[in-house]
Amino acid sequence: AQKITQTQPGMFVQEKEAVTLDCTYDTSDQSYGLFWYKQPSSGEMIFLIYQGSYDEQNATEGRYSLNFQKARKSANLVISASQLGDSAMYFCAMREGPRTSYDKVIFGPGTSLSVIP
Amino acid sequence: NAGVTQTPKFRVLKTGQSMTLLCAQDMNHEYMYWYRQDPGMGLRLIHYSVGEGTTAKGEVPDGYNVSRLKKQNFLLGLESAAPSQTSVYFCASSYRPGASGSNEQFFGPGTRLTVL
Repeated sequence: AQKITQTQPGMFVQEKEAVTLDCTYDTSDQSYGLFWYKQPSSGEMIFLIYQGSYDEQNATEGRYSLNFQKARKSANLVISASQLGDSAMYFCAMREGPRTSYDKVIFGPGTSLSVIP
Repeated sequence: NAGVTQTPKFRVLKTGQSMTLLCAQDMNHEYMYWYRQDPGMGLRLIHYSVGEGTTAKGEVPDGYNVSRLKKQNFLLGLESAAPSQTSVYFCASSYRPGASGSNEQFFGPGTRLTVL
């Protein structure tokens, strides 16, 4: 069974608008972590934001925020005020188990975001 | 700091040839990982290492071997390349998981491998 589901293979957003990229996950662990990475066309993987399962507040990093709904097992990425440079693949990922484990991280299939000028 | 570097950036092999991909990190990270990225499948873990001299299998280890003789280096070997191993390979590293913090993985630029 897929552990990480990203149901939007491709998304378009107008420049300066906000966009939400969906991510749902499946785990039976109580302690886990959720990540979002960005992969521009140049290919590198860039860490954006992290949410721990016990964190009470939604994570925010600049224009990025993570809409964490634990009961629904969703961890959507919200990008505010989209810029042309935000055009990229976005991967949701999950680290299962306690933080003292070997740090196994499972990646979703990704969502391709295109920002339209 | 260079971060995580990978050598080579591109390579074309014929079926049955062997090669080694080199990953180096200068952040003193204990953990290192090799992933492959195929279209529509995200990243899948091939092998990982939790310290110098130790390696372990990930999700898709068949056809690959690894070695971690030095803390800063993690080598991925293909003994007999197959077309199914055509992919983009990423190396990553991280600190040992601790009691708090994201402990995100830092990625290299990737190696694009084609097996004919």
